[in-house]
Amino acid sequence: AQRVTQPEKLLSVFKGAPVELKCNYSYSGSPELFWYVQYSRQRLQLLLRHISRESIKGFTADLNKGETSFHLKKPFAQEEDSAMYYCALGRGGADGLTFGKGTHLIIQP
Amino acid sequence: DGGITQSPKYLFRKEGQNVTLSCEQNLNHDAMYWYRQDPGQGLRLIYYSQIVNDFQKGDIAEGYSVSREKKESFPLTVTSAQKNPTAFYLCASSIAASRGDSPLHFGNGTRLTVT
Repeated sequence: AQRVTQPEKLLSVFKGAPVELKCNYSYSGSPELFWYVQYSRQRLQLLLRHISRESIKGFTADLNKGETSFHLKKPFAQEEDSAMYYCALGRGGADGLTFGKGTHLIIQP
Repeated sequence: DGGITQSPKYLFRKEGQNVTLSCEQNLNHDAMYWYRQDPGQGLRLIYYSQIVNDFQKGDIAEGYSVSREKKESFPLTVTSAQKNPTAFYLCASSIAASRGDSPLHFGNGTRLTVT
């Protein structure tokens, strides 16, 4: 069975410090990994996906199949990055994503 | 404004009553989904539909039912059999039923409180 683990419920860092939100997955097939973000009073939205290999709002994430990880990183945190972040795993079809429990990121001024 | 509309935003029901949550999308997406979001639990998949007149159970389908009579609509009924119905419910859609890398577009959610 597929599983997504986000070990940190809450992560607090100071503005300007590097950020790393951890995500590990368990899946026997070829995974598709995503990061979704929910800012205060906004709907859940896609932040980035591994197939795009893009940087969004300064965030990047690299799929490491050896370590089954997809950690989200940003070199310099900004206050507007404060939000709830969810890592999600897709299984190659449109049968929904498996989400982690989320990490609440707080950027302190 | 294209997107997914969930209504109502807040819903209150007495225990033992069935209640239906509405989800409508005008994105012309094939696939639609219902998730339940609980504090500390993340999002859990209740039901999904890849095409009109077809739907499948997700990970926590017990006590819920859905229908997909129209492409743009995917209502969720929370039945009296659902043991712990109080939660925040999220509807989502994605463009292509055959592609797992299609991002999900989410509605604003419905907060259901059952007393």
